[in-house]
Amino acid sequence: KQEVTQIPAALSVPEGENLVLNCSFTDSAIYNLQWFRQDPGKGLTSLLLIQSSQREQTSGRLNASLDKSSGRSTLYIAASQPGDSATYLCAVYPQGGSEKLVFGKGTKLTVNP
Amino acid sequence: GAVVSQHPSWVICKSGTSVKIECRSLDFQATTMFWYRQFPKQSLMLMATSNEGSKATYEQGVEKDKFLINHASLTLSTLTVTSAHPEDSSFYICSADLSGSSSYNEQFFGPGTRLTVL
Repeated sequence: KQEVTQIPAALSVPEGENLVLNCSFTDSAIYNLQWFRQDPGKGLTSLLLIQSSQREQTSGRLNASLDKSSGRSTLYIAASQPGDSATYLCAVYPQGGSEKLVFGKGTKLTVNP
Repeated sequence: GAVVSQHPSWVICKSGTSVKIECRSLDFQATTMFWYRQFPKQSLMLMATSNEGSKATYEQGVEKDKFLINHASLTLSTLTVTSAHPEDSSFYICSADLSGSSSYNEQFFGPGTRLTVL
């Protein structure tokens, strides 16, 4: 059974700092991996999707990497801003005929002005 | 593009009443939609997979008669919480698969519906 773990559960940093969020998954047989952002009381916003054949994806100040063999992904946020404060969720699509995303519990990020 | 809406955004109801939540894909067709539930400070838990024109597939432990799902068109799926009780109070989020049920593509999520049962 695929399990997704995100560390740390919460992170507080000063504005301008570069930071890394970690995601690990137990079964390396994944179809793709997706990073989301969730603001309090809101739905999910897709940030980056990495297909299993890819090693990284970039969008603006965000860079996500994927190492399937070790079951890890990282989300790098450059020059953090208070507006980046949110919960960041990592989710994987397992291979093998299922479309069900398996989510981690998220990392709650607070960027202090 | 790829916008998913939900209605209502929040609802408060009395115990024993039924509540319907709509999930719409606004600018694309979705043969497959998903319904999730999220408790405070917890991650999303998949409740069911909604397939256009066929019965929904429910996850283990989710009561089919309690959570009725109808996916009558390629842009609309509804979740009805029947005879709601306080323990059903939660944040319900839907998502839609961009390209259909036969391939694993990016899911786009709705803004969620906050249900409070008194």
